[in-house]
Amino acid sequence: DAGITQSPRHKVTETGTPVTLRCHQTENHRYMYWYRQDPGHGLRLIHYSYGVKDTDKGEVSDGYSVSRSKTEDFLLTLESATSSQTSVYFCAISTRGGGIADTQYFGPGTRLTVL
Amino acid sequence: AQRVTQPEKLLSVFKGAPVELKCNYSYSGSPELFWYVQYSRQRLQLLLRHISRESIKGFTADLNKGETSFHLKKPFAQEEDSAMYYCALTVGTSGSRLTFGEGTQLTVNP
Repeated sequence: DAGITQSPRHKVTETGTPVTLRCHQTENHRYMYWYRQDPGHGLRLIHYSYGVKDTDKGEVSDGYSVSRSKTEDFLLTLESATSSQTSVYFCAISTRGGGIADTQYFGPGTRLTVL
Repeated sequence: AQRVTQPEKLLSVFKGAPVELKCNYSYSGSPELFWYVQYSRQRLQLLLRHISRESIKGFTADLNKGETSFHLKKPFAQEEDSAMYYCALTVGTSGSRLTFGEGTQLTVNP
């Protein structure tokens, strides 16, 4: 499992509340990613990080922010949760340098429900 | 921008039958293609990738650049193959970001 954990694993929250999801890795990989998984859409990239304090947007970044103050932790924040952000969120890491020959490994996922 | 399409949302076969999960992509260059699998209540895991040209759990996939396809095949399906399968690609830009297809739910019936 490449030493990837996510917390919490399940969360129910109300519209308008802030939510932070945590991804933790134990192997000091440089690249980390946040995806959301929705039926009919597969997985879509929200944000990714290529080092401490270095992040960039993915294809569905609106309404989300990220932070990476340590190599091992990548946080995803929903500033004001909406029902459209109800989803399963997956963290992933790249095992090499982020190139085309790289492979991504995924965390167990966080199921978020926004009421 | 690149795109991955999996035309079948659901696929059902009987045990021992051949199975083919279709994947088509659009990208003008030379992407790297992957198949990921998600068994029930488990995390997404890599099944195979084009660059390795390997066979995992009896599955193979051939990249057809002319048809821009990367179909996943297995000659004799097993019940434990029942899972969600995702085709994905990366184009080698910064960060090896993956673009996923919508996924195909495979059910292998006894």
